[in-house]
Amino acid sequence: GNSVTQMEGPVTLSEEAFLTINCTYTATGYPSLFWYVQYPGEGLQLLLKATKADDKGSNKGFEATYRKETTSFHLEKGSVQVSDSAVYFCALSDFNSGGSNYKLTFGKGTLLTVNP
Amino acid sequence: EAGVTQFPSHSVIEKGQTVTLRCDPISGHDNLYWYRRVMGKEIKFLLHFVKESKQDESGMPNNRFLAERTGGTYSTLKVQPAELEDSGVYFCASSQGFGYEQFFGPGTRLTVL
Repeated sequence: GNSVTQMEGPVTLSEEAFLTINCTYTATGYPSLFWYVQYPGEGLQLLLKATKADDKGSNKGFEATYRKETTSFHLEKGSVQVSDSAVYFCALSDFNSGGSNYKLTFGKGTLLTVNP
Repeated sequence: EAGVTQFPSHSVIEKGQTVTLRCDPISGHDNLYWYRRVMGKEIKFLLHFVKESKQDESGMPNNRFLAERTGGTYSTLKVQPAELEDSGVYFCASSQGFGYEQFFGPGTRLTVL
């Protein structure tokens, strides 16, 4: 079945540091890939997505590139801020053969803490 | 426009009791999903409604879990009787159609003692 593996946390960085959170996936088909973020006390929010190989998703200074050859979708940001402190989830969509479901398969989440 | 709402935000019950979680999707969203995150593990899919019909319930752990969506609006997820391993955060999401972005609620944290 499909699965997502992302780097274990927690990750603690100083403000303006470079961020990378690794994510690799296993999928039988050709999934879409996502990064979701959960800020303290809030629900999951879609941060960015990519739907085909070599696509780059970007939002709020975060980027991730869909790498089919390495089955990866690593999240990066050049300069993190305190407000980026949150839990980050890598996910893929599962488009079954019937074409009737887009359930998401998630990784375990990575807690990021950014200190001033 | 109101987002996805879930009630309650927290629930603490004893093993063997019954708990009902509620999700109100974004108005007009026919697709409604339930997910669960057990402590330290992945967020896992439970089931998917299209309007009032269960499209996919392959992620439901066992028959102690019952989900309903009467009238195709809000949904409830009942756990009866609750077991210790049911503890976790239950998320609801909705989308306007297949392949569209899923909007998540804040989750219900369930603790079974």
